Amino acid sequence: AQSVTQLGSHVSVSEGALVLLRCNYSSSVPPYLFWYVQYPNQGLQLLLKYTTGATLVKGINGFEAEFKKSETSFHLTKPSAHMSDAAEYFCALAGGTSYGKLTFGQGTILTVHP
Amino acid sequence: DAGVIQSPRHEVTEMGQEVTLRCKPISGHNSLFWYRQTMMRGLELLIYFNNNVPIDDSGMPEDRFSAKMPNASFSTLKIQPSEPRDSAVYFCASSFNKGSYGYTFGSGTRLTVV
Repeated sequence: AQSVTQLGSHVSVSEGALVLLRCNYSSSVPPYLFWYVQYPNQGLQLLLKYTTGATLVKGINGFEAEFKKSETSFHLTKPSAHMSDAAEYFCALAGGTSYGKLTFGQGTILTVHP
Repeated sequence: DAGVIQSPRHEVTEMGQEVTLRCKPISGHNSLFWYRQTMMRGLELLIYFNNNVPIDDSGMPEDRFSAKMPNASFSTLKIQPSEPRDSAVYFCASSFNKGSYGYTFGSGTRLTVV
């Protein structure tokens, strides 16, 4: 069975500080990994994805994530937080089935203080 | 492409009534997913289809819930009879090639059952 664990349901940073949102996964086959962002009362927007190839992937809005197979992690980072980054972030995993079932973590709410 | 289109955006109904949620996936995508989002449970996968065939409906909470995909461009999620605990945001998503290109979500339907 595949699963995703996001460490920390709430993360608070100051504007300009480093953002680090943690995600660990469990999968019996090479995973596809995703980060989605959800702003209040909106749908889910894809930030970035890892399928194959380069393990450091860059996404929109200055975010990036690194796939580390040995640590089964896919942490999301941004060097300098902006007020507009305040949202809920979801790590998700696809793999282990033939039809691309997407499994989500519990979500991490990011708060950015001025 | 207009993206994944869901209707209605908001639905308020009385307990016991039938509710039908609709989804039009992105043209060319061959997998379709229905998710439910609540504060308590987060994002739950209800059912997903591949090439219009239901693959896994283990997330459907009860027999009151049913989903169909009569063709590649349309899917419905029906709740009959509806109950207050069904109040949630329901998302539809579609993907191609087992998710290797990502998953695109609709804007969701906010259902309130009173």
